[in-house]
Amino acid sequence: SYVVTQPPSVSVAPGETARITCGGSQIEDKGVFWYQQKPGQAPVLVMYYDKVRPSGIPERFSGSNSGNTATLTISRVAPGDEADFYCQVYDNFRGVFGGGTKLTVL
Amino acid sequence: EVQLLESGGRVVRPGGSLRLSCTASGFIFDDYGMSWVRQVPGKGLEWVSGINWNANDAGYADSLKGRCTISRDNAKNSVHLQMTSLRVEDTALYYCVRVRTGSYHDGFDIWGQGTMLTVSS
Repeated sequence: SYVVTQPPSVSVAPGETARITCGGSQIEDKGVFWYQQKPGQAPVLVMYYDKVRPSGIPERFSGSNSGNTATLTISRVAPGDEADFYCQVYDNFRGVFGGGTKLTVL
Repeated sequence: EVQLLESGGRVVRPGGSLRLSCTASGFIFDDYGMSWVRQVPGKGLEWVSGINWNANDAGYADSLKGRCTISRDNAKNSVHLQMTSLRVEDTALYYCVRVRTGSYHDGFDIWGQGTMLTVSS
């Protein structure tokens, strides 16, 4: 079965740029979805089809996908961005989530 | 207001059965696919199952295949997950989610607050 790999944690200082990766075999051939989950809340879709921002998601959030790695980039990170981030793809019409990355704002 | 409200979560004995339900409001229900995603408290997300807008296409995670059935009633704006042969490892918060298109294999743009299933003897 398809495996999607994320780093367990990423830490950045306020105002810096955070890059959260999502690895998988030829992941560039799949559409990648990204979700942000804050403590005690349901996840929120922050990116779909690799690089499309849903309405209401700040322009500071951007996405890319090439080769075996998709990346969610958050520019000018703010304390309110601290959360768990999950990437998700479909393989053989079954959803597959990465293990999640905890973004810590130092 | 767009809303998903789950129900049906409870404590069940291993080997037991359960039906989770989700009622949608605030949008045209049969324009969208629907799915279930679960999360063990403190752990990551796991896709469980999805169904397209008119219920003629559905998919299941390998971990639940053969043990659960997803269905929907567009007249009642509801989606259901029937689960059987429950295991301790099925213990999780089950989220009902709206798929952003009529398919079931697309992103999830609306999430409910979840219903908790505990499988324990």
